[in-house]
Amino acid sequence: AQSVTQLGSHVSVSEGALVLLRCNYSSSVPPYLFWYVQYPNQGLQLLLKYTSAATLVKGINGFEAEFKKSETSFHLTKPSAHMSDAAEYFCAVTKNSGGYQKVTFGTGTKLQVIP
Amino acid sequence: DTEVTQTPKHLVMGMTNKKSLKCEQHMGHRAMYWYKQKAKKPPELMFVYSYEKLSINESVPSRFSPECPNSSLLNLHLHALQPEDSALYLCASSQVSGGSGANVLTFGAGSRLTVL
Repeated sequence: AQSVTQLGSHVSVSEGALVLLRCNYSSSVPPYLFWYVQYPNQGLQLLLKYTSAATLVKGINGFEAEFKKSETSFHLTKPSAHMSDAAEYFCAVTKNSGGYQKVTFGTGTKLQVIP
Repeated sequence: DTEVTQTPKHLVMGMTNKKSLKCEQHMGHRAMYWYKQKAKKPPELMFVYSYEKLSINESVPSRFSPECPNSSLLNLHLHALQPEDSALYLCASSQVSGGSGANVLTFGAGSRLTVL
């Protein structure tokens, strides 16, 4: 079974500081990994996805993530935090299950950006 | 059109009411999903429709009744709900493909349900 673990349910950074949100996966096959962001009272929006084409994946809003097989990790980073980055972030792993996408979400990390 | 539209955005209902949540997409996606999300938790899968047929029912109580009238619409009919059913209900859609796990789910903004 596939799963993801997000370390840290709450992360606080200062505006302009590096953002690092951690995600480790467990999968017996090459995984398809995603990061989604959820702003307050909104749905989930795709930030980026890993599909084995490249280990460093660039997403929207300046975010990127690096797939490291040796560490079974897919951490999300952004060089400089902006106030608008404050949101809930979900790491997810997915596989096709007979005609639909079975998505397993991590427990989420709430990012707080301090002025 | 790359959006999933959900209505209403907010719904307050009593335990004896009957109401419906609606979801619409025009991206040609043939898989549509209902998720339930409680505060500070990840979304939990409720139902999946693939080619307008119910594929997955994650042991959801019968007071929730999904319906997929056509390839663009997905409804969730609500009846005799309990206060613990109060949550954000998210609709999503995706392509259906054979063997690839890389298809992205596109989510709507959600319907915030409060059961009194």
